[in-house]
Amino acid sequence: EPEVTQTPSHQVTQMGQEVILRCVPISNHLYFYWYRQILGQKVEFLVSFYNNEISEKSEIFDDQFSVERPDGSNFTLKIRSTKLEDSAMYFCASSELGSPLYEQYFGPGTRLTVT
Amino acid sequence: SQKIEQNSEALNIQEGKTATLTCNYTNYSPAYLQWYRQDPGRGPVFLLLIRENEKEKRKERLKVTFDTTLKQSLFHITASQPADSATYLCAGYAGNNRKLIWGLGTSLAVNP
Repeated sequence: EPEVTQTPSHQVTQMGQEVILRCVPISNHLYFYWYRQILGQKVEFLVSFYNNEISEKSEIFDDQFSVERPDGSNFTLKIRSTKLEDSAMYFCASSELGSPLYEQYFGPGTRLTVT
Repeated sequence: SQKIEQNSEALNIQEGKTATLTCNYTNYSPAYLQWYRQDPGRGPVFLLLIRENEKEKRKERLKVTFDTTLKQSLFHITASQPADSATYLCAGYAGNNRKLIWGLGTSLAVNP
């Protein structure tokens, strides 16, 4: 069964450094998402992406964040200058279409630890 | 602000019983509600979606209801098994956007 993959599974970085989290969505899916989940807290929407541009973003997704689809398979989240509070589990998801009727498939997540 | 609230207290039940989890929403009217399962250290896995004009949806041992008067969805697992032990998340869409608003989840433990 096709699945969303994410790398790395765990990333440790120092405050102020840039990190890039990578995702390979399911191949025939057109919508891609990033979510984060701080330990013990709710899953939070960050951004959705369609047709090579951002379609929605949350208040969390400020100028330090960016997303890119550099080729036909990868979808990346870049955090420019990490802060301690960016430590969280980051999940990538994809769906066939953007309608809420289409389920989102989540990857296993990348645990980001900022020290 | 728009909120999805779930009972934060863990639910412990005996194998074979029906588990019932609650999801309440405030300050908005989701057109759709979704239920996900999340195991420790893993991403959410989609289980069921219910629309605001549907009272009930079933899938195998799972049943979801949507009561727009009470602003509540109930999620039932019948004939529960230890393998059903996980955290169950409720998430809602509002309007035409693709932003999911999530609850904190309810942890379910099914004891053999």
